[in-house]
Amino acid sequence: DQQVKQNSPSLSVQEGRISILNCDYTNSMFDYFLWYKKYPAEGPTFLISISSIKDKNEDGRFTVFLNKSAKHLSLHIVPSQPGDSAVYFCAAVKRGSNYKLTFGKGTLLTVNP
Amino acid sequence: NAGVMQNPRHLVRRRGQEARLRCSPMKGHSHVYWYRQLPEEGLKFMVYLQKENIIDESGMPKERFSAEFPKEGPSILRIQQVVRGDSAAYFCASSPSGDEGGRQPQHFGDGTRLSIL
Repeated sequence: DQQVKQNSPSLSVQEGRISILNCDYTNSMFDYFLWYKKYPAEGPTFLISISSIKDKNEDGRFTVFLNKSAKHLSLHIVPSQPGDSAVYFCAAVKRGSNYKLTFGKGTLLTVNP
Repeated sequence: NAGVMQNPRHLVRRRGQEARLRCSPMKGHSHVYWYRQLPEEGLKFMVYLQKENIIDESGMPKERFSAEFPKEGPSILRIQQVVRGDSAAYFCASSPSGDEGGRQPQHFGDGTRLSIL
């Protein structure tokens, strides 16, 4: 069963516009969420995280929004740059689970110049 | 390079052979996690170790797979009698502690791509 879902396998945006990547989860025991970015042949790189006690966290061009009632989070990238082109993974952590990450399948973001 | 180091980057094995994947965590990190990524899939948790201890192996297949993190040296993920279905990218991640809520995000190595002929 897929507890963390990224329903869009790919997303294409123009440089300078906003990129919005979405993630849904089914397990209400998740209390911490992270976004990782991955280039081909490299490991995931941590981008930004959010605790379930918050609804927004911002770091530079990256903002993550959490809607607990809808079990939905999103990553906004503004403005998008060609170097942002990568696969973005949403991951979640359950309290008391030894901090192991449960990942979605990823969304391939392409930012066109 | 103070990052998580994995080797080899690529490993080719024939069916029935053994595969050994190594991971050296970031300096100062004492917690190691192994994840596997099958083609077109997300990363799936396999095992969580601290020095000389397996803390959580709930994601490990019951047979042929084992992991260790000795007092000295890297963490090792060992796959015995490999089969075609073991072909995947294996990622190691480390963190400095297991703070509640995951406040210390895991840092990943670049992975080992295992191919089974």
